[in-house]
Amino acid sequence: DTGVSQNPRHKITKRGQNVTFRCDPISEHNRLYWYRQTLGQGPEFLTYFQNEAQLEKSRLLSDRFSAERPKGSFSTLEIQRTEQGDSAMYLCASTLYSHNEQFFGPGTRLTVL
Amino acid sequence: QQPVQSPQAVILREGEDAVINCSSSKALYSVHWYRQKHGEAPVFLMILLKGGEQKGHEKISASFNEKKQQSSLYLTASQLSYSGTYFCGTAPGGSARQLTFGSGTQLTVLP
Repeated sequence: DTGVSQNPRHKITKRGQNVTFRCDPISEHNRLYWYRQTLGQGPEFLTYFQNEAQLEKSRLLSDRFSAERPKGSFSTLEIQRTEQGDSAMYLCASTLYSHNEQFFGPGTRLTVL
Repeated sequence: QQPVQSPQAVILREGEDAVINCSSSKALYSVHWYRQKHGEAPVFLMILLKGGEQKGHEKISASFNEKKQQSSLYLTASQLSYSGTYFCGTAPGGSARQLTFGSGTQLTVLP
């Protein structure tokens, strides 16, 4: 399977704990995006990588969120000191060129108790 | 600023047509359309670029009015498989580093 994969698919955590999600993009795609989606809303942009460089980060993104893409391959999104408001679906997408189709992964559903 | 989609929801019978609109308060370079079924990831439908270029599926058409900063998605002879939530994503600049998605239009096709 050459699609975008994300792990874990589901994560339940207690408020205050740290969580880390992983995204493996399509192998030749050098652009990788993280989005957050809550019920009834469209995906909300979080951050963007071109290769290993993080080029954009949402101004709405709390300092508790950090993302990395070492070596320009897989990416991780970490949320520190989780809050109930962080509960959402976290989507990863990759693409080869700007203004081209973004391929979305199945997402990681986070529930913060 | 998030683009505004209309209608928020539409219900139609198989074979009927539907139009979904997306408007932005900012000048746009490209508009991206995606469909998401319940519990699944968004799936690409169409990209419309400033200047008239389009990339997408043959059975789905769309328009992009750059001056009005609006796009419309046309679904003709709808099938049951068209059901889902449709999102438009807009990119204001020459680079699609950041797509801003609307809140979606829920389309239900009944037999």
